[in-house]
Amino acid sequence: SAVISQKPSRDICQRGTSLTIQCQVDSQVTMMFWYRQQPGQSLTLIATANQGSEATYESGFVIDKFPISRPNLTFSTLTVSNMSPEDSSIYLCSVRTRMNTEAFFGQGTRLTVV
Amino acid sequence: AQSVTQLGSHVSVSEGALVLLRCNYSSSVPPYLFWYVQYPNQGLQLLLKYTSAATLVKGINGFEAEFKKSETSFHLTKPSAHMSDAAEYFCAVSVSNAGNMLTFGGGTRLMVKP
Repeated sequence: SAVISQKPSRDICQRGTSLTIQCQVDSQVTMMFWYRQQPGQSLTLIATANQGSEATYESGFVIDKFPISRPNLTFSTLTVSNMSPEDSSIYLCSVRTRMNTEAFFGQGTRLTVV
Repeated sequence: AQSVTQLGSHVSVSEGALVLLRCNYSSSVPPYLFWYVQYPNQGLQLLLKYTSAATLVKGINGFEAEFKKSETSFHLTKPSAHMSDAAEYFCAVSVSNAGNMLTFGGGTRLMVKP
C-alpha cells in the first residue's frame, strides 16, 4: 500500500492567482497521477506525472494552465494557474505501484475560486 | 480506448435491502476493474478489485462484485444495506495497453433510507 499526504486540504483563492498543491508519498512509486473532480462529478485525469521528464497531459488539459513537477519518486506538485471560478474543484493525487494493483489516493485538495 | 458506464447516478434503497450498483466497461483487451467508495469530504477508498483471478471478488464492508466477460459487466452488490453505506461509488478500469491510469465511471450516489 501507499500513504499519500496532500496539502493544502482546502483553500479559497482569488481569481487570477495560482495555487500549488503538493503530494508526498511514503514510498517510491513509478506511477503518479493528478485528477480533478468537479462538484458532483466523477474523476477526470489531468496528467501523468513523470519523474525526470515532462508530464503527460490528457486532452483538454495543458501545461501552461496545470504545470506539474516531479523531482523524485516520492513527490509531485500540481499548480493551478491564473484561476477562474470554473477551476473550483477537488484535485486528487494518485499513485499506483503496478498495473494489476489498485490506485491509492490522497485526501484531495478542495479548491474554491472567488 | 477503455471506458466505464455506471447506470443510475442515484440509487436509493431501504436499510436491510439488497444493494446493486451497475457497472459496464468497454475494453479491447482484458481489463483490471475496481470499485471505490467516497464518503463526504473524503478521498477514495478501495472496496474491491478484479485483476484476472477469481471472477467473484469479495471486498470490504460486505460488498462483492462479479466479473462477467460475456456481459462486460462488474456490478457491485451487498446483501443488506446499512445506513453507513450511504456514499458515492465509482467503478474504474485500467488496461495494459493504455497507460497506467484508471478511467472512472460517472459515479453512483447510494442513499439508504431508514
